[in-house]
Amino acid sequence: EVQLVESGGGLVQPGGSLRLSCAASGFTFSSYVMSWVRQAPGKGLEWVSAISGSGYSTYYADSVKGRFTISRDNSKNTLYLQMNSLRAEDTAVYYCAKECVVGAPRGAFDIWGQGTTVTVSS
Amino acid sequence: QSALTQPASVSGSPGQSITISCTGTSSDVGGYNYVSWYQQHPGKAPKLMIYDVSKRPSGVSNRFSGSKSGTTASLTISGLQAEDEADYYCNSYTTNSTWVFGGGTKLTVL
Repeated sequence: EVQLVESGGGLVQPGGSLRLSCAASGFTFSSYVMSWVRQAPGKGLEWVSAISGSGYSTYYADSVKGRFTISRDNSKNTLYLQMNSLRAEDTAVYYCAKECVVGAPRGAFDIWGQGTTVTVSS
Repeated sequence: QSALTQPASVSGSPGQSITISCTGTSSDVGGYNYVSWYQQHPGKAPKLMIYDVSKRPSGVSNRFSGSKSGTTASLTISGLQAEDEADYYCNSYTTNSTWVFGGGTKLTVL
């Protein structure tokens, strides 16, 4: 079964750091672009970051550039999101998502995790 | 990057057809054929319904179809069913090598 399982969310103070993980199974992880997408409480979806299958290319939304770092360990089939200098507006459910097609990223996410909640508050 | 523009809500009766629009610019929707659509039920993760403007992933009903004209993409649902009631989001690739979602549309089946 193709599956993504996120972990690492929690409560953190403004200015703090958190590292999210996403464990993948059931597909050839290294072949696919992976992304993080977040959803603030009661709000819409916001694309956060993406990484190529090799890990060589990374992409970030302006709202997180310079604060968040996406990475992957293909030997462990795991995707990461290192979040630094966290702000209240980063509070959201964070989903990892898999591109549906091998190759160039197109924003077509066919598999999503269950999400992990990040709360930034003092 | 500003969010793509979607109507806040649409509604229809069972069996009818509805269309949800997604308006962007030449830097996103109008410039690329990388528009996708997602369905999200409350408390659930989004589900991919359409990608590359008009392609349907395996397992998605053919009642769902997508199209694009200029800077506006559209999702059409025909033969509305009660289980189609959900939030719908469009997404597009942009010239900045980023992706942008629409604000979301709440579909109510009357």
